[in-house]
Amino acid sequence: NAGVTQTPKFQVLKTGQSMTLQCAQDMNHEYMSWYRQDPGMGLRLIHYSVGAGITDQGEVPNGYNVSRSTTEDFPLRLLSAAPSQTSVYFCASSTTSLYGYTFGSGTRLTVV
Amino acid sequence: AQTVTQSQPEMSVQEAETVTLSCTYDTSESDYYLFWYKQPPSRQMILVIRQEAYKQQNATENRFSVNFQKAAKSFSLKISDSQLGDAAMYFCAYRRSTDKLIFGTGTRLQVFP
Repeated sequence: NAGVTQTPKFQVLKTGQSMTLQCAQDMNHEYMSWYRQDPGMGLRLIHYSVGAGITDQGEVPNGYNVSRSTTEDFPLRLLSAAPSQTSVYFCASSTTSLYGYTFGSGTRLTVV
Repeated sequence: AQTVTQSQPEMSVQEAETVTLSCTYDTSESDYYLFWYKQPPSRQMILVIRQEAYKQQNATENRFSVNFQKAAKSFSLKISDSQLGDAAMYFCAYRRSTDKLIFGTGTRLQVFP
C-alpha cells in the first residue's frame, strides 16, 4: 500500500526554469491537494481537485498550474520558477468522507 | 472565508507532564471537521486526532484529547504524560464537509527530559 507518492524529494532549479512535481495515490481518493509549507506560515493551499477533470485554486495559486486527468495523478507545474517559490511542497489526498487527508512525504524545492 | 489561528508559536513541556495547545477558527458553517496533525523532524504529516462538529463529546486518542468548544470556536489539544517523541510541530486544521483542508500556522512543541 503505497499511499501518496511524491517525486522528487529534493530539487534545485534556476530562476526561470520550469518543472513538474509529481503526485500519485493508489487509494482511489476523490480529493487531492497541493500545499506549500514555509516557516511561520503553516501549510498554504495552492490548488485542489475534487475529482478527475475538476480543479480549483487555493490560497496561493499564482505561478502554479495543475491538471487532473486521472483519479490517481495530480501533478503540479511550476511555469517559470522564482526564488519566492523556494519551499517544501506537500501533496495530499482524501476520500469524500471525513477521515482527514493522507500526505505524501514532501518535496523540498530550492530556486536559485 | 474560513480561518484557523494558532496563537502559540512555541510551547515547551517537561517529560511526563501535560500540555495544551490552543486553536481557534472562524466559520459560519454548522457542519465541519477539525483535525490536529503532528509533523516531526522527518517532515511527515501525521493525523493525531479528529473531531466532528456535530458531536458534543470530545475526541480522545490514547494520550491525546481535545477540548472542543463549538460556540467559542475553540479546539485545543491536550497531550498527557508527554514523551520525548511528542516533540514536533502541531497543526490545527479545519475542513467543511467534503471541502478543502485549511491549516493554522502551527505550534512547535519542545519536550524536556
